[in-house]
Amino acid sequence: RKEVEQDPGPFNVPEGATVAFNCTYSNSASQSFFWYRQDCRKEPKLLMSVYSSGNEDGRFTAQLNRASQYISLLIRDSKLSDSATYLCVVNLFNAGNNRKLIWGLGTSLAVNP
Amino acid sequence: NAGVTQTPKFQVLKTGQSMTLQCAQDMNHNSMYWYRQDPGMGLRLIYYSASEGTTDKGEVPNGYNVSRLNKREFSLRLESAAPSQTSVYFCAASQVSRGRVTHEQYFGPGTRLTVT
Repeated sequence: RKEVEQDPGPFNVPEGATVAFNCTYSNSASQSFFWYRQDCRKEPKLLMSVYSSGNEDGRFTAQLNRASQYISLLIRDSKLSDSATYLCVVNLFNAGNNRKLIWGLGTSLAVNP
Repeated sequence: NAGVTQTPKFQVLKTGQSMTLQCAQDMNHNSMYWYRQDPGMGLRLIYYSASEGTTDKGEVPNGYNVSRLNKREFSLRLESAAPSQTSVYFCAASQVSRGRVTHEQYFGPGTRLTVT
């Protein structure tokens, strides 16, 4: 099983729709979690950090479910500009107490007019 | 405030040539990273520098060397380029404060490298 798994999509949704992505992780010792956004041929950019019970930022809501080992990202009222790849990132400390960031392969979202 | 800058943006090398990718950040962050991104592989860490004066191998260090020149600058060197090193290279920076492990990373715009 991959350490971090995401549905690659693509998710095709109309403007104004609500869309949700999940990301599962295999290591229960994972400590912190992030969603990044990457536009085509651009660098990844931090979208949201996800701590404890999750958080909300405008139209975006991130949730963490430690029991089931997944995080989710909900986008409400989708805009054309939300079209991008969404990367799930998990941070954990390995056996040597060294931190390690594990990146998912991303979920592609296309918002259509 | 430029954030993280990288040069060059594009580069074509022949097999066996060497080059250095430059990265600089003006955010005063203590940690810097080099990644490569390939289709279907996601982001893979090549080397990182937790703080000025230290460097450590990441997931795929073979064929690369790094230098943390000062707090601002972190360079990646390919001594003898191979076609397998064709990729997009991203530099990133983050600030890890004592007692708060965040690892929120800020990326440069990337270098698209082709080795023929």
